[in-house]
Amino acid sequence: DQQVKQNSPSLSVQEGRISILNCDYTNSMFDYFLWYKKYPAEGPTFLISISSIKDKNEDGRFTVFLNKSAKHLSLHIVPSQPGDSAVYFCAASGGNTPLVFGKGTRLSVIA
Amino acid sequence: KAGVTQTPRYLIKTRGQQVTLSCSPISGHRSVSWYQQTPGQGLQFLFEYFSETQRNKGNFPGRFSGRQFSNSRSEMNVSTLELGDSALYLCASSSRTGVFVQYFGPGTRLTVT
Repeated sequence: DQQVKQNSPSLSVQEGRISILNCDYTNSMFDYFLWYKKYPAEGPTFLISISSIKDKNEDGRFTVFLNKSAKHLSLHIVPSQPGDSAVYFCAASGGNTPLVFGKGTRLSVIA
Repeated sequence: KAGVTQTPRYLIKTRGQQVTLSCSPISGHRSVSWYQQTPGQGLQFLFEYFSETQRNKGNFPGRFSGRQFSNSRSEMNVSTLELGDSALYLCASSSRTGVFVQYFGPGTRLTVT
């Protein structure tokens, strides 16, 4: 049973446009959500997080939105840059439980 | 601060052998978690250690084991390797258990032939 789902395996966006990566979860006990970015041959790098008491968190070009009623979160990247091309993982946790990761979305930003 | 380091970076083993992977966390971090990543899959949680004690364990067979030393360095061991164990094994550290922002190492790419 996949508790964290990233239904789009890949996404292509033109440089300068907005990238929107989506993530759905099923466990209502999850109260903390994170996005990680991964380049080939490197470990994932923490990008941004949000707790369930908020519905939006912003950090520079990156904004995460959380819709608790829909059990949905999204990562917006504006404007998208070629260096943003990577695999993006959504992760979730509740209490002291380990992080549960989605399968990732490969973002390609085309110059 | 130096990041999380993992050794070796690449490893080729034969079915039936065993393997030990090593992870050195960021200085001062006491929590170390291990994950397995296979093609098309997300990161699957293996186990977490904090102050030499296993705090959480994922849904993996007993062939997968780990330990943590007093200096917070951690090792994971896989015995009786199977072809399906071929994966990228990632180690992540955080300053304490229950802190969800984890910092990952580059991983060890294990190939079982």
